[in-house]
Amino acid sequence: GQNIDQPTEMTATEGAIVQINCTYQTSGFNGLFWYQQHAGEAPTFLSYNVLDGLEEKGRFSSFLSRSKGYSYLLLKELQMKDSASYLCAVMDSNYQLIWGAGTKLIIKP
Amino acid sequence: IAGITQAPTSQILAAGRRMTLRCTQDMRHNAMYWYRQDLGLGLRLIHYSNTAGTTGKGEVPDGYSVSRANTDDFPLTLASAVPSQTSVYFCASSDSSESGHGYTFGSGTRLTVV
Repeated sequence: GQNIDQPTEMTATEGAIVQINCTYQTSGFNGLFWYQQHAGEAPTFLSYNVLDGLEEKGRFSSFLSRSKGYSYLLLKELQMKDSASYLCAVMDSNYQLIWGAGTKLIIKP
Repeated sequence: IAGITQAPTSQILAAGRRMTLRCTQDMRHNAMYWYRQDLGLGLRLIHYSNTAGTTGKGEVPDGYSVSRANTDDFPLTLASAVPSQTSVYFCASSDSSESGHGYTFGSGTRLTVV
């Protein structure tokens, strides 16, 4: 079966750094995505990794290791507005996204 | 409009009633999807359409039907609503020729079946 695992909830302090991990087992791999979802809103695209390594985009970075079935999202200089759920998703061999349940990130002052 | 529009934003529906959730996109994306999102379960795919005129079943299709008469519209119909269909429903679209762009989501429909 296909499976995406990520922690249910994490807490971090404003101004700090947090790493949200994601492990996956899917039938085929055509890229890994991270989305941000604020409460009551739609998911919005954050990052895409298809090759191993680190992709940096401002305060957010995403890492992929295909051999380990592993990714992480790194958020630096945390701001209160970063409080949200972060969804990991893998595009399978049929080019459909398989979703993790999401990690709720709580930022404390 | 730019992106995906869903309607209604929210709805309270009596069990047994029929309801259609509307979804329209103006990005000329070939693929469209319907998800439901429930607390602790993440996004679950109900139905999808890779191109106008074709549809497919997702992970949780029972009790739902879709049609894709043209590129822009992808309505989701609940033939006879049941309380377990209480959820937030998201429509999404993608351009399969640009897989790295991921999906674009509508703002969602919050449905309560009583």
